[in-house]
Amino acid sequence: EAGVVQSPRYKIIEKKQPVAFWCNPISGHNTLYWYRQNLGQGPELLIRYENEEAVDDSQLPKDRFSAERLKGVDSTLKIQPAELGDSAVYLCASSLGIAGSYNEQFFGPGTRLTVL
Amino acid sequence: AQSVTQLGSHVSVSEGALVLLRCNYSSSVPPYLFWYVQYPNQGLQLLLKYTSAATLVKGINGFEAEFKKSETSFHLTKPSAHMSDAAEYFCAVSTSGTYKYIFGTGTRLKVLA
Repeated sequence: EAGVVQSPRYKIIEKKQPVAFWCNPISGHNTLYWYRQNLGQGPELLIRYENEEAVDDSQLPKDRFSAERLKGVDSTLKIQPAELGDSAVYLCASSLGIAGSYNEQFFGPGTRLTVL
Repeated sequence: AQSVTQLGSHVSVSEGALVLLRCNYSSSVPPYLFWYVQYPNQGLQLLLKYTSAATLVKGINGFEAEFKKSETSFHLTKPSAHMSDAAEYFCAVSTSGTYKYIFGTGTRLKVLA
């Protein structure tokens, strides 16, 4: 079974430039998560999708970050414009999304963003 | 609200020695607890999980953890460290009915030859 796929793996951009990350979850997983992991820290949730609906985006900086999950499968996270403080690893995860369960999350390899 | 505290951002052990990584949690309702491992430039891989069944949980690569409600702890152990165990380890807490994982700040394990 293929795992969570993310691309690109690495991205270097200059500040004020736009950037986009792509994620394809495990087949059949209707819940998708985007996390940001700063250096030396644990992952922090940015947004959670149930199918194509963003059900928790309370931690997403909406002035510059946006996300979409058209058709409820793969997802794109965008930053425009990027700032120096956005340098981090952006992780995508997916889970089956079973109500009342612990919903084990499976993580992709992440995209390491460096903003110069 | 839930929270996780991992004591020791860096831990060094000799190859063959006991590994002990500490995790304490805070939760107002029964928690689900997880340990993930992250190798350099890779995503997080689940080592083991506590989901209210047995309090002693065995995971992959010889790791295990014990849920102690009275101490609000979920420490990760391995009897004998191997060089390949060098990585960063994250403890996380969640609860039934939520999908949110709260991660600790991680512990970087170094194994000395």
